[in-house]
Amino acid sequence: DVKVTQSSRYLVKRTGEKVFLECVQDMDHENMFWYRQDPGLGLRLIYFSYDVKMKEKGDIPEGYSVSREKKERFSLILESASTNQTSMYLCASRSSTGTAYSNQPQHFGDGTRLSIL
Amino acid sequence: EDKVVQSPLSLVVHEGDTVTLNCSYEVTNFRSLLWYKQEKKAPTFLFMLTSSGIEKKSGRLSSILDKKELFSILNITATQTGDSAIYLCAVLNQAGTALIFGKGTTLSVSS
Repeated sequence: DVKVTQSSRYLVKRTGEKVFLECVQDMDHENMFWYRQDPGLGLRLIYFSYDVKMKEKGDIPEGYSVSREKKERFSLILESASTNQTSMYLCASRSSTGTAYSNQPQHFGDGTRLSIL
Repeated sequence: EDKVVQSPLSLVVHEGDTVTLNCSYEVTNFRSLLWYKQEKKAPTFLFMLTSSGIEKKSGRLSSILDKKELFSILNITATQTGDSAIYLCAVLNQAGTALIFGKGTTLSVSS
């Protein structure tokens, strides 16, 4: 079974702090994703990564950055946390091997519920 | 702008009922449509649909895609309290790089 592990289930930080959310997958997946999930808005893509050291902006990248130094780890960074970044953050990974148009589903971690005070 | 719309947004049924959840989409370069179930934690993968008219089935759950009318339905028969969850519909673009999610349908099954 695919395992996507997010380092914290719950996190409380203060405005202005630099916040790191970590995600590790154990299936050697090329693609990794960060979403945030808010009531009434669904899941929105923040950033994704095709492979090591590669990253692409999603729909709502403002106020965030990412790091993918190793294949299994994808970090989301809140440069200067603000209260509107209070949310549930979900990491996902997916295999893209075989063809460029792999039909593999994304597998999600359990989420980090982040509160910014 | 690409979008995925789910209906209803929430639903309350009794155990044993059959429910149908809807998902319509407007996505350029469609590749496939996925259904996920989310309880308290991670969304778990249910189905991936790529071709029209071919039903996918897993126990009491089934799903079908209509690429002409741009929608999919998820059916759950003989519902149980364990089916209570948020059901998420998402469309994968042709490049396989991005999933566009609907807002989800919250299903509550009462005993």
